[in-house]
Amino acid sequence: DTGVSQDPRHKITKRGQNVTFRCDPISEHNRLYWYRQTLGQGPEFLTYFQNEAQLEKSRLLSDRFSAERPKGSFSTLEIQRTEQGDSAMYLCASSPDRGLADTQYFGPGTRLTVL
Amino acid sequence: KQEVTQIPAALSVPEGENLVLNCSFTDSAIYNLQWFRQDPGKGLTSLLLIQSSQREQTSGRLNASLDKSSGRSTLYIAASQPGDSATYLCAVKSAPTSGTYKYIFGTGTRLKVLA
Repeated sequence: DTGVSQDPRHKITKRGQNVTFRCDPISEHNRLYWYRQTLGQGPEFLTYFQNEAQLEKSRLLSDRFSAERPKGSFSTLEIQRTEQGDSAMYLCASSPDRGLADTQYFGPGTRLTVL
Repeated sequence: KQEVTQIPAALSVPEGENLVLNCSFTDSAIYNLQWFRQDPGKGLTSLLLIQSSQREQTSGRLNASLDKSSGRSTLYIAASQPGDSATYLCAVKSAPTSGTYKYIFGTGTRLKVLA
């Protein structure tokens, strides 16, 4: 069990470019979450997967954002036509399917800077 | 809508002091509450998880209490050390309005322990 991993750890891009982040959850964790954290704020929920099914998307997730978890294992988060307001830390978390009592294990995050 | 508030926003103490961090939430219908530590530019490390049926949890020099009816939790750190310097985040898992067991985070308390 190596924990949740995220790649890349840092990404600098120019406004208007597309970026894609990857999250590898702890093996056998059915639930996967994406959060976004801006400077000085707590993480905010973006989206949630139960296996390969995307069950909820926050209104923060505009149509420029898309997330996938094609085989119920790793997940990708893509941002199209990036804007400076997208600059943030993007955190991934996973948890086992143990009803309401589970805790979420967070990855190290991907820090995005949009110039 | 669940809202989580943390007070104080920042705290600076000399090494060796005992200290208390506060977290309050507006909706007492929670499943659990978790305290996290975040070092600058890093992901989240889980410190303590308190289920809704519990009153407190302890780990080493850390003790977290939960008073669900009043919507409050405290994190007590005994004999603080410079290595405790970090941002401490409180997160609650609320009754889902859409079937998603996401965490709602506070904005954190930035702690600095002076040697």
